[in-house]
Amino acid sequence: QSALTQPRSVSGSPGQSVTISCTGTSNYVSDYNYVSWFQHHPGKAPKLMIYDVANRPSGVPDRFSGSKSGNTASLTISGLQTEDEADYYCCSYAGTYTSFGTGTQVTVL
Amino acid sequence: QVQLVQSGAEVKRPGASVKVSCKASGYAFASYGITWVRQAPGQGLEWMGWISGEDGNRNYAHELQGRVTMTTDTSTSTAYMEVRSLRSDDTAVYYCARSPISVSTLPNYDYWGQGTLVTVSP
Repeated sequence: QSALTQPRSVSGSPGQSVTISCTGTSNYVSDYNYVSWFQHHPGKAPKLMIYDVANRPSGVPDRFSGSKSGNTASLTISGLQTEDEADYYCCSYAGTYTSFGTGTQVTVL
Repeated sequence: QVQLVQSGAEVKRPGASVKVSCKASGYAFASYGITWVRQAPGQGLEWMGWISGEDGNRNYAHELQGRVTMTTDTSTSTAYMEVRSLRSDDTAVYYCARSPISVSTLPNYDYWGQGTLVTVSP
């Protein structure tokens, strides 16, 4: 059972913004700034979109942004595009192990 | 460019073992770790463990302790992940990912292999 809970799905129209939450059942999200977000298209390898809560790897569009408040981390996609339709997973450092979130399906209407 | 190339799909009987390889290129293998992640059909991503590319130090998920072994061959820049006593719920796509070497559980997985489907079926 994941220690990180995400909404099962979120949706938005092209150009809109959507936010995905990632809430920890323990204090790992609140105590450490080591939350990553991955985009996963079916049949492909996951892609790192955000690391260390709010940092974007080279090549990731700046319409993807990350933040954290208390025990909840968030990924915001601004200016939603059709290619953003995918599953998104948060992932947090948890001391001696790492935990992935339950995953959120983003649908572009 | 950085690449992680995994071995091909496998079909195994319950109780058997499977060993998946992950060959790295385009970077200094000993300067990073390799994390293994799997995804069962219709399920989310599951962290399996990490191995150092420098010294073979490893950290396994508690749920897989005793059934999984991760190794490396630094001469070929290849990481291996073996699961023993396979069960039907081990059916999944298995991924390797390049990871930081400093802390085994930092989730900065910047490059991934293409995935290897392991099917466990009688």
